[in-house]
Amino acid sequence: SQKIEQNSEALNIQEGKTATLTCNYTNYSPAYLQWYRQDPGRGPVFLLLIRENEKEKRKERLKVTFDTTLKQSLFHITASQPADSATYLCALGEGTYKYIFGTGTRLKVLA
Amino acid sequence: GAGVSQSPSNKVTEKGKDVELRCDPISGHTALYWYRQSLGQGLEFLIYFQGNSAPDKSGLPSDRFSAERTGGSVSTLTIQRTQQEDSAVYLCASSLQTGGLGEKLFFGSGTQLSVL
Repeated sequence: SQKIEQNSEALNIQEGKTATLTCNYTNYSPAYLQWYRQDPGRGPVFLLLIRENEKEKRKERLKVTFDTTLKQSLFHITASQPADSATYLCALGEGTYKYIFGTGTRLKVLA
Repeated sequence: GAGVSQSPSNKVTEKGKDVELRCDPISGHTALYWYRQSLGQGLEFLIYFQGNSAPDKSGLPSDRFSAERTGGSVSTLTIQRTQQEDSAVYLCASSLQTGGLGEKLFFGSGTQLSVL
């Protein structure tokens, strides 16, 4: 079955720098991959979707890449702000409706 | 409301008791999901509804867990004879429809279940 690996260690970066989070998967390449943000005590909130035929997707300060050869997606936040501090989850599509989530990476942006 | 609503937000129960968790999805969303999130763990898929039907119950951990959805809207997740290992955050999510690959999920804030 598909396994997703996200760095379980927290990522601390300085305000204004670019944060880069990694999502690796082990088996087949999914048709799409999503990134969510989760704040403490809240449910995940959808950020971006990238499909298998897309190399890169951007939304404001966010950028996602999808490399099916490396079986990896990178999630970048440029000009990071303390308000970006949260846990970021990647999710892969399995079949037509199922979503498999990673454990998430906690990001802390230091002022 | 505009978002997915879950109740209660917190539930403390004694081992062996039954609990019911409720989810009100976004109006018009035909797909509904239940996930479980344990401390430090990813989201664990429990069950998926399309309308009132549950074509995929494969994630339910045991026969103590059941879920139903009525009127294509509200869903209830029931855990019978709760065990301490059932302690987790139970998240509900809905999406507009399935079949469209990659449709985003809208999550509720979850129910924090603590079994003493």
